[in-house]
Order: sequence, then C-alpha cells, then structure tokens
Amino acid sequence: EAGVVQSPRYKIIEKKQPVAFWCNPISGHNTLYWYLQNLGQGPELLIRYENEEAVDDSQLPKDRFSAERLKGVDSTLKIQPAELGDSAVYLCASSGTGQETQYFGPGTRLLVL
Amino acid sequence: QKEVEQDPGPLSVPEGAIVSLNCTYSNSAFQYFMWYRQYSRKGPELLMYTYSSGNKEDGRFTAQVDKSSKYISLFIRDSQPSDSATYLCAMRQDSNYQLIWGAGTKLIIKP
Repeated sequence: EAGVVQSPRYKIIEKKQPVAFWCNPISGHNTLYWYLQNLGQGPELLIRYENEEAVDDSQLPKDRFSAERLKGVDSTLKIQPAELGDSAVYLCASSGTGQETQYFGPGTRLLVL
Repeated sequence: QKEVEQDPGPLSVPEGAIVSLNCTYSNSAFQYFMWYRQYSRKGPELLMYTYSSGNKEDGRFTAQVDKSSKYISLFIRDSQPSDSATYLCAMRQDSNYQLIWGAGTKLIIKP
C-alpha cells in the first residue's frame, strides 16, 4: 500500500512569490491534515479536511494561505505571497474513518529567501 | 507555558542501553497519548498509542501514562543505532480530535 505522497520535496523561492504544495493521501482515507513544522518543534495543524469539507481551518492564516480538496482525495496548499517566516516543513497526513492513527507524508521543505 | 513540555535533548546513550523519554502536560482533560518517531527529513511515524492511564508494551518499546502526575514516558530496551531519531509525544482530549504536540527529543544511540 502506498503511503502519503507529497510533492515537491523541496522548494526554494523568493519572498512575495507564490508557492503550492500537493498531497495525495492513503487510498480510502477520508481525513486529511496539513501541518507546519519548524525546526526543533512539533507539527502545528493548519487545516483538517473530512472528505472535501474543511472542518477546522481556524489556524490557517487566511490572508496568505489557502487550501483545497475538491474531490475529497488529493489536496493542495498554497501560499501567496510567501514571507521569510514561512520557511518550514509542510507535512500532510491522513487517517481513515474512526482511526486514531495519522499517517504522515515526508513533507515539503520550503525555503523563502 | 506550553501545554506539553518535552526536553529537546539531544540525548546520547550507548547501544544496548535502556532509554527513557518523557513529556509533561498541563491539561488534565487529555485522554489519548501517543509517541511518534521522526527520522531526519521524514514525516512522523506512530510508535505507541495509549488511552487513559497505564502501560503498553510493544516489543522493545513500553509506553507509560501517569495521569495523576500528568507525565508520560516511553522506554526503549536494548537500544539500537537505528533507534536514533527525534521522538515526539502527542496527546488529545476525548472530545477534540486535535493533537497537541511536544517539541520532540533528539535521541542518538552510539554504536
């Protein structure tokens, strides 16, 4: 069974540029999470989807961040415009209905110059 | 003060030693307690999951939860160099799916 797939793995951009990250969860997993992880810190939840519905986006900085999961499968997280402080690892995770375990992808490492 | 506190380390021990990793927390409503392992440039991977108090054992790993002290532990027996990674604790309430994470402890097992 394939795990959570994320792309790109690394991205370097200049500040004020847009950037997008893509995630394909484990097949059959209805719940999808986007996290941000800074160096030496635990993951911080940005948004949680149940199928195509964003059920918790309270910690998503909506002035510059947006996300979508149009068909309830794969998802895209966008930042526009990027700021220096957005440099971090962006993790995607998924879980099955009623399952406690979240399965994480390898993350996208973003560097904003 | 953070809801979940975890010593960042690094913790360096010789191969074969027993390792003890710990987290303290302040929210008495936490009921689900997890330990994740994260290798460099990888996502976290669930190691152990405990509901409420007590111990849970899985091979060389033992998780303990002491709710009276608001303290959780992960023990690794017969530690191996391949156990070198960052170990993150995470926990949540019964009524709230959202995980609250520790900062992670970097563990180094020296051959």
